[in-house]
Amino acid sequence: DAKTTQPTSMDCAEGRAANLPCNHSTISGNEYVYWYRQIHSQGPQYIIHGLKNNETNEMASLIITEDRKSSTLILPHATLRDTAVYYCIVRVTVDSSYKLIFGSGTRLLVRP
Amino acid sequence: GAGVSQSPSNKVTEKGKDVELRCDPISGHTALYWYRQSLGQGLEFLIYFQGNSAPDKSGLPSDRFSAERTGGSVSTLTIQRTQQEDSAVYLCASSFGGGRNQPQHFGDGTRLSIL
Repeated sequence: DAKTTQPTSMDCAEGRAANLPCNHSTISGNEYVYWYRQIHSQGPQYIIHGLKNNETNEMASLIITEDRKSSTLILPHATLRDTAVYYCIVRVTVDSSYKLIFGSGTRLLVRP
Repeated sequence: GAGVSQSPSNKVTEKGKDVELRCDPISGHTALYWYRQSLGQGLEFLIYFQGNSAPDKSGLPSDRFSAERTGGSVSTLTIQRTQQEDSAVYLCASSFGGGRNQPQHFGDGTRLSIL
């Protein structure tokens, strides 16, 4: 399985951009990078995913390096409600199952 | 639109009892997944359904755990003869198809406590 490495914790000031890095050096050519977040007592929330190109939606931007060995999730204007654990996941395929394999994630604290 | 719905939201039961957890996926989603999250632990995959069949049951921790899905919609996760180590939050997710380009959307889980 392609593994991911994320910092254990980060913080940023409210209103500033939060840039969350992720290393996935063993990623295969057809594996997608997914980002989820989990706020206390809730289920994981899908944020964004991508294969090669940079992606943007209403929640965030995903920047994937050209060699695909790392990516960065960008929350352009962090708010206090963005405080959560952020998971970077490489979507693996095993026996036609596209299960998600979660690591420990990055605990992001947005400071007032 | 309606998201993934799980019931009950909380369940407390005595060791040795059987429990059933229910998941209503997003309408039209053919793929359904069960995960669990123990206190202080990460999310652990349990089982995957495509329609009513389960091509991947590799995460079920023991034969006390089983799941079924009927009508390509609702799924039930059953734990027999519950043990204290079964205490966890059980999460269900669904996606439109099971492909690698289809995001999974999660419910808020059932918090199971075994006394």
